[in-house]
Amino acid sequence: DGGITQSPKYLFRKEGQNVTLSCEQNLNHDAMYWYRQDPGQGLRLIYYSQIVNDFQKGDIAEGYSVSREKKESFPLTVTSAQKNPTAFYLCASSNRREGNQPQHFGDGTRLSIL
Amino acid sequence: AQSVAQPEDQVNVAEGNPLTVKCTYSVSGNPYLFWYVQYPNRGLQFLLKYITGDNLVKGSYGFEAEFNKSQTSFHLKKPSALVSDSALYFCAVRDPFYGGSQGNLIFGKGTKLSVKP
Repeated sequence: DGGITQSPKYLFRKEGQNVTLSCEQNLNHDAMYWYRQDPGQGLRLIYYSQIVNDFQKGDIAEGYSVSREKKESFPLTVTSAQKNPTAFYLCASSNRREGNQPQHFGDGTRLSIL
Repeated sequence: AQSVAQPEDQVNVAEGNPLTVKCTYSVSGNPYLFWYVQYPNRGLQFLLKYITGDNLVKGSYGFEAEFNKSQTSFHLKKPSALVSDSALYFCAVRDPFYGGSQGNLIFGKGTKLSVKP
């Protein structure tokens, strides 16, 4: 079955630590996205990538970094500069960012502070 | 700037009754509109979309939505609610006129639907 796999499902971060969230898709989609979900705030875009080796900042990129070395993979690093990282993180993909096709989502990673 | 609003944080419906989850939007041109559903601790699942054409769009699980350009609305509806429809629903809009960061998909804050037996 084609889809998006996020891992781990739960992650704990210590003070001053960087952590990396994994996102893999086998849908052959060009575009991939990272969103942060907080209760009552909907989804906010962190980073997006339209093609391998290229990515753009979203609305709340500060304290986060990404890479897109392979079409299938778009890992997100939450750095120690992100002072309030506790949230539910969702990865998504779509055929093209500027098309009319829906985004497909993974099942998320819940990040908490130790 | 484009935006989307879901004016109700929560909607309560009795099983078997019709349900409506409201969504209004603001874009400069003709919008692409989407509805998604999210169950606890899961990702978003696509329900339906409006791109062009017929104003009444049918989607998954018996849901439908009506695009109303004059009222800039895209309300989600179902004729007969099920307890299993209880979840968080998100409306999203994209203005295809724009590229760059202004061309991103914008999500509403979500509406929690509670269907009681």
